[in-house]
Amino acid sequence: EAQVTQNPRYLITVTGKKLTVTCSQNMNHEYMSWYRQDPGLGLRQIYYSMNVEVTDKGDVPEGYKVSRKEKRNFPLILESPSPNQTSLYFCASRGRLGKNIQYFGAGTRLSVL
Amino acid sequence: RKEVEQDPGPFNVPEGATVAFNCTYSNSASQSFFWYRQDCRKEPKLLMSVYSSGNEDGRFTAQLNRASQYISLLIRDSKLSDSATYLCVSTFQGAQKLVFGQGTRLTINP
Repeated sequence: EAQVTQNPRYLITVTGKKLTVTCSQNMNHEYMSWYRQDPGLGLRQIYYSMNVEVTDKGDVPEGYKVSRKEKRNFPLILESPSPNQTSLYFCASRGRLGKNIQYFGAGTRLSVL
Repeated sequence: RKEVEQDPGPFNVPEGATVAFNCTYSNSASQSFFWYRQDCRKEPKLLMSVYSSGNEDGRFTAQLNRASQYISLLIRDSKLSDSATYLCVSTFQGAQKLVFGQGTRLTINP
């Protein structure tokens, strides 16, 4: 079954404690991206990656890092989380020939206290 | 001004009604457009692409007006299961960047 898997689904942490949200896809997609969704603001792109070792900033990259060492994985790293990073996060992937259809993971709800 | 703007609603309509949403975009370089559907606390899923000539998928019709820079979605004979948030999306830079509207919340009432 084609899937984008994010972990964890729910996370409560404290300010400054480094965390990583993992994202994995089994569709051999080249393109992967991270979004955050906040009330009244919709989905905003954090980072995206066109292929292995190729990453680029989206609209709201501050406070986040990503890496793309393997095609299937695209972890999101918060080195020093802050309360304004409390949000719902989605990972997505798309194939090069996928007609722009993005497949989203189920989401990670993060609370930073 | 947001790059993609939608009326957030909520829209409450009776079952069987026809409902229409509009979405405007500000970046004339936008290349492709889509409607996504998002159920409460779930991930967005593609509903349909939007073509300049207009396109239909069952009870759903999407239209694009490049001159006026707006996209529309029409739902006919609405069902209870159509209750969701509908997200308007534009892409540019060779589809590397996707910009989402904040979504329009729709509730179909029995």
